[in-house]
Amino acid sequence: GENVEQHPSTLSVQEGDSAVIKCTYSDSASNYFPWYKQELGKRPQLIIDIRSNVGEKKDQRIAVTLNKTAKHFSLHITETQPEDSAVYFCAASWASGGAGSYQLTFGKGTKLSVIP
Amino acid sequence: EAQVTQNPRYLITVTGKKLTVTCSQNMNHEYMSWYRQDPGLGLRQIYYSMNVEVTDKGDVPEGYKVSRKEKRNFPLILESPSPNQTSLYFCASSLRGHLGSYNEQFFGPGTRLTVL
Repeated sequence: GENVEQHPSTLSVQEGDSAVIKCTYSDSASNYFPWYKQELGKRPQLIIDIRSNVGEKKDQRIAVTLNKTAKHFSLHITETQPEDSAVYFCAASWASGGAGSYQLTFGKGTKLSVIP
Repeated sequence: EAQVTQNPRYLITVTGKKLTVTCSQNMNHEYMSWYRQDPGLGLRQIYYSMNVEVTDKGDVPEGYKVSRKEKRNFPLILESPSPNQTSLYFCASSLRGHLGSYNEQFFGPGTRLTVL
């Protein structure tokens, strides 16, 4: 199966600074890499994703980069705001079981605190 | 409103008393999945289903059962709950992409289970 390592486990930044969270994966066949944000007491929600045929994707203040050779991908948040404070999870999808079957393996999460 | 619902949201039970957590989605998604979330361990997949009558084990299936008799429902069954199954449980669903490619998972609100 897949193994996803996520670092750091906690991250504190000043408001307006950038935050970077890094993940590595083990299965070179993994082809989809989403990032989820989970606010306290809420469900995880997708904030950005990237497929293996793309190296970088941006959405306003959020960007994700993928290095397939090194098997790592990163989340970049610029101009951080207090409402960015949450737990962020990376994940990787990989083929499993029968034809067309796939699983999603998550990292252990990063608790981001943005200090006003 | 497109959504994933879970019931109950909170449950306190005792060891050995069978319970079922229901999950339903109204988005006509083929793929449904159950996760458990524990502090420091992130989200771990319990079972998933590619479509009706098709289910597969995830990373932590021991002590759980599922069924997928209808496309919209994917109940999680704990035949004989034990204290180590105390956790926050999330159901999720997604469209199944072309050739098995992955798509955004939508999460339910979560069920907090305590087994005494």
